[in-house]
Amino acid sequence: RKEVEQDPGPFNVPEGATVAFNCTYSNSASQSFFWYRQDCRKEPKLLMSVYSSGNEDGRFTAQLNRASQYISLLIRDSKLSDSATYLCVVSPYSSASKIIFGSGTRLSIRP
Amino acid sequence: DTGVSQDPRHKITKRGQNVTFRCDPISEHNRLYWYRQTLGQGPEFLTYFQNEAQLEKSRLLSDRFSAERPKGSFSTLEIQRTEQGDSAMYLCASSFGQGIDTQYFGPGTRLTVL
Repeated sequence: RKEVEQDPGPFNVPEGATVAFNCTYSNSASQSFFWYRQDCRKEPKLLMSVYSSGNEDGRFTAQLNRASQYISLLIRDSKLSDSATYLCVVSPYSSASKIIFGSGTRLSIRP
Repeated sequence: DTGVSQDPRHKITKRGQNVTFRCDPISEHNRLYWYRQTLGQGPEFLTYFQNEAQLEKSRLLSDRFSAERPKGSFSTLEIQRTEQGDSAMYLCASSFGQGIDTQYFGPGTRLTVL
């Protein structure tokens, strides 16, 4: 079993739609959680950290469920520019010195 | 540009040749990481440095791979006797090493082994 698992997609949704991704992790000792975004042939960039209480950044909301060992990302009012691969990232260390990436979920927003 | 830089951006080599990649981290970052990414997969951790000390290496890092960070600034990743399976994007990241330790990635070096 992979340490971090994501639905690879692709998710193909119309502009303005709400879309949600889930990610599960196997190590219950994981302490830090992130969502990264990666555009085609580009490097990953941090989208947001995920806190235990959940957190929101504009149209993006991240949630953590430690009991079920999953994190989620919700994108509201999706834009064409949201088209990318979204990588779920988990670290067993609170300082995130070693992070483990999921395989990514591809999102495509259509006009 | 004060981000992470990597050189070269692309490298094509023949099987059996040695290649070396360079990473220059963000200047105040004391941690530096190397990852490998293949198509359709997320980046896989290879190794990381805190200053000049190499603190962790993945089992993915075979004997043909070696990484250095001699002065605690830039780092090099060398692959000896390259194999076709080494073809991938090699990503470098750096971080400040405190708190929620966000890693910032460079643009990567795409290696193609013929």
